[in-house]
Amino acid sequence: DTGVSQNPRHKITKRGQNVTFRCDPISEHNRLYWYRQTLGQGPEFLTYFQNEAQLEKSRLLSDRFSAERPKGSFSTLEIQRTEQGDSAMYLCASSPGTSGKNTGELFFGEGSRLTVL
Amino acid sequence: AQRVTQPEKLLSVFKGAPVELKCNYSYSGSPELFWYVQYSRQRLQLLLRHISRESIKGFTADLNKGETSFHLKKPFAQEEDSAMYYCALSGPTSGTYKYIFGTGTRLKVLA
Repeated sequence: DTGVSQNPRHKITKRGQNVTFRCDPISEHNRLYWYRQTLGQGPEFLTYFQNEAQLEKSRLLSDRFSAERPKGSFSTLEIQRTEQGDSAMYLCASSPGTSGKNTGELFFGEGSRLTVL
Repeated sequence: AQRVTQPEKLLSVFKGAPVELKCNYSYSGSPELFWYVQYSRQRLQLLLRHISRESIKGFTADLNKGETSFHLKKPFAQEEDSAMYYCALSGPTSGTYKYIFGTGTRLKVLA
């Protein structure tokens, strides 16, 4: 297992287009998180899943953002009608949750960088 | 409101000097506190957790509930410690497993 994997690593799109990011967590991790990070800021919580259930969603997540984890394995984050303010690094992380020895550690992917022109 | 505050955006020290990266938090309940580190061109990774009370790469952090602080310390900085450091909290005892991060402090260790 090579860790948390995110695709694509970079995405450049025009304002108004839809984009989708994919995250493959570490196998047997049942919690999966999405964060957004802009320059000079720390990771900002967006949402998290336990298995396929989306348990919490930030109020900052507008209705243009939707995340899914249909089979409790990989997850997708879709942004509809992108705006320039959506330009950021989108980070995914996973943790064992209830599925194993949970130390509270989050395992992060390398991120997907979005640039909206 | 749940909040993590890291007052310094940048901290520069000379090699061999002591380091203290500040972290204050606001949380109603008993949070778990963490320090994460991001080295250049690497992904964010855990450095240490308050629960384990361990020293990692010479770094320690003590949770002070009275001052709501979790400062990261190292007695003698090394050049390889140069990185971005993020303080984070989670609140499993409150029924949520989300993590709140601070804005980060860039540590530069000068030769």
